[in-house]
Amino acid sequence: GQQVMQIPQYQHVQEGEDFTTYCNSSTTLSNIQWYKQRPGGHPVFLIQLVKSGEVKKQKRLTFQFGEAKKNSSLHITATQTTDVGTYFCAGPGTAGTSYGKLTFGQGTILTVHP
Amino acid sequence: GAVVSQHPSWVICKSGTSVKIECRSLDFQATTMFWYRQFPKQSLMLMATSNEGSKATYEQGVEKDKFLINHASLTLSTLTVTSAHPEDSSFYICSASIGGLIEKLFFGSGTQLSVL
Repeated sequence: GQQVMQIPQYQHVQEGEDFTTYCNSSTTLSNIQWYKQRPGGHPVFLIQLVKSGEVKKQKRLTFQFGEAKKNSSLHITATQTTDVGTYFCAGPGTAGTSYGKLTFGQGTILTVHP
Repeated sequence: GAVVSQHPSWVICKSGTSVKIECRSLDFQATTMFWYRQFPKQSLMLMATSNEGSKATYEQGVEKDKFLINHASLTLSTLTVTSAHPEDSSFYICSASIGGLIEKLFFGSGTQLSVL
């Protein structure tokens, strides 16, 4: 079945440093989504990428979708303590599966040292 | 944005008892809801897809008799962990999508289950 791999599993940075997490799918994706889960909280939708090579920015966050639509990345510039949490990528299910059924990557746990 | 309410937030129970977790979509109708299980510092593992008015679809390896799902209305899905055992202790979280071009999910706040 479809697999979504995410690296690194953990990332510890000093406040102000940049951070990047990478996501790779075993199959071509129609779209990819990113979620953030704060410690003790629930995942919150950040963004969806649809087009090949798409790049979207949200303030200090930059999201990219690969040309082959099998990989994606999330880059945070100048991390802040508020960026702490687990970042998940997620891809849609294969054709015929329920709308909204996503396969999540393992997540990258980001800690920021002030 | 859409709100998904999940109760209880945490529950402690004795081994052998059953626990019911409720998931409600507060400001939209959800024909489909999803139930996930999450272990500490791990990813979200889809357990089942809950369909309003029909049987739930369970993922491979998930015991349907152990994890009973009922989706009786367009705004409520319940997950009952039957005859809970310590290995069932986990964070259970539901989600729903409101449809449209973006299949994004709105998650409940989760339920931390501890079975003694």
